[in-house]
Amino acid sequence: QKEVEQDPGPLSVPEGAIVSLNCTYSNSAFQYFMWYRQYSRKGPELLMYTYSSGNKEDGRFTAQVDKSSKYISLFIRDSQPSDSATYLCAMRSEGSNYKLTFGKGTLLTVNP
Amino acid sequence: DSGVTQTPKHLITATGQRVTLRCSPRSGDLSVYWYQQSLDQGLQFLIQYYNGEERAKGNILERFSAQQFPDLHSELNLSSLELGDSALYFCASSAGQIYGYTFGSGTRLTVV
Repeated sequence: QKEVEQDPGPLSVPEGAIVSLNCTYSNSAFQYFMWYRQYSRKGPELLMYTYSSGNKEDGRFTAQVDKSSKYISLFIRDSQPSDSATYLCAMRSEGSNYKLTFGKGTLLTVNP
Repeated sequence: DSGVTQTPKHLITATGQRVTLRCSPRSGDLSVYWYQQSLDQGLQFLIQYYNGEERAKGNILERFSAQQFPDLHSELNLSSLELGDSALYFCASSAGQIYGYTFGSGTRLTVV
């Protein structure tokens, strides 16, 4: 079993839709959770981050962590064509030299 | 521009050859991480350097090696290349941020 599982999609939605992206993980030591966005032919860029359990909101984006279920989510409200990208979840434990473990990424297309 | 510079952007080489990928971290960042991204495996951690010293090793093949120089730039050396080594290679740098690090745009390696 991989440490982090993420449905690769692809996911195609109409503009304005609410998008839900998810990851599950097996390592209970993970404490820091991140979402990266990667446009085609570019490097991943940090989008959202949370520590331990709970929600965090930033504009149209909400990150949720449920440590009891080992499940994290990213919600995108009012999705835009510019949100079309691959979304990768990433996580790490304390004292891990900041080494991140990534999901494989979900390819999202938002159609105008 | 993320501030992390990777060269070259593209590399095409033959099996059995050796190549060197170069990374200049963001100004002030002491840590450099190398990742390999392929369609089937996603982003896989290879190796981390901190201020010239190796800090952590991931799934890095013996044919691969890296180093970080006194000016903090890093090089990833790939030798005896095989077709399966074709992938995107990313460098990321960090100043010890709790959440994530900054990626470069990657080097696309094609082995023919």
